[in-house]
Amino acid sequence: KNQVEQSPQSLIILEGKNCTLQCNYTVSPFSNLRWYKQDTGRGPVSLTIMTFSENTKSNGRYTATLDADTKQSSLHITASQLSDSASYICVVSALGGGYNKLIFGAGTRLAVHP
Amino acid sequence: NAGVTQTPKFRVLKTGQSMTLLCAQDMNHEYMYWYRQDPGMGLRLIHYSVGEGTTAKGEVPDGYNVSRLKKQNFLLGLESAAPSQTSVYFCASRPGLAGNEQFFGPGTRLTVL
Repeated sequence: KNQVEQSPQSLIILEGKNCTLQCNYTVSPFSNLRWYKQDTGRGPVSLTIMTFSENTKSNGRYTATLDADTKQSSLHITASQLSDSASYICVVSALGGGYNKLIFGAGTRLAVHP
Repeated sequence: NAGVTQTPKFRVLKTGQSMTLLCAQDMNHEYMYWYRQDPGMGLRLIHYSVGEGTTAKGEVPDGYNVSRLKKQNFLLGLESAAPSQTSVYFCASRPGLAGNEQFFGPGTRLTVL
């Protein structure tokens, strides 16, 4: 069964600190993995997209890593800001199904406190 | 360029009532999707469309119907709402098939009493 599991479920950090969010997946055949940021009351917005051959990709203070062998990904946030408070969703794309099926994790809710 | 818009933003229904959620995109995207998001769960696909005049079932289609009469619009209908359909509904669109990300609307919060 295709699944995406994220940890931790929620996280509180102080402004300026770094944090790492985890994503484990069992999706086959794998196409790509994306991290989305979802602000409260808004739709998800893409942060990074990685294919099988990519190990790391950065977007400003966000750095995503992918280990396709262990089927794990992480999202590292550097020097956190209050605006980083949001849910972060790991989404794995599976080949086939006619619509490039996406499997969504439940998300990690991050709160950055001053 | 408004991207993906959804109306209404909020709605409260009584059990058995019907309603239609409207999704519109101005990016000329071929693919459009309807998802629901429930607490503690990932987004789940309800229905999707790969082009004007086409629709297909997703993961959780029961109790919903959709129509794509115009390329820019994707409608989600609830014929007889049930409390289990209380959720936040997101519409998304995508340019084409391979490798393109989905762009999400702001969501519609629906409560069924």
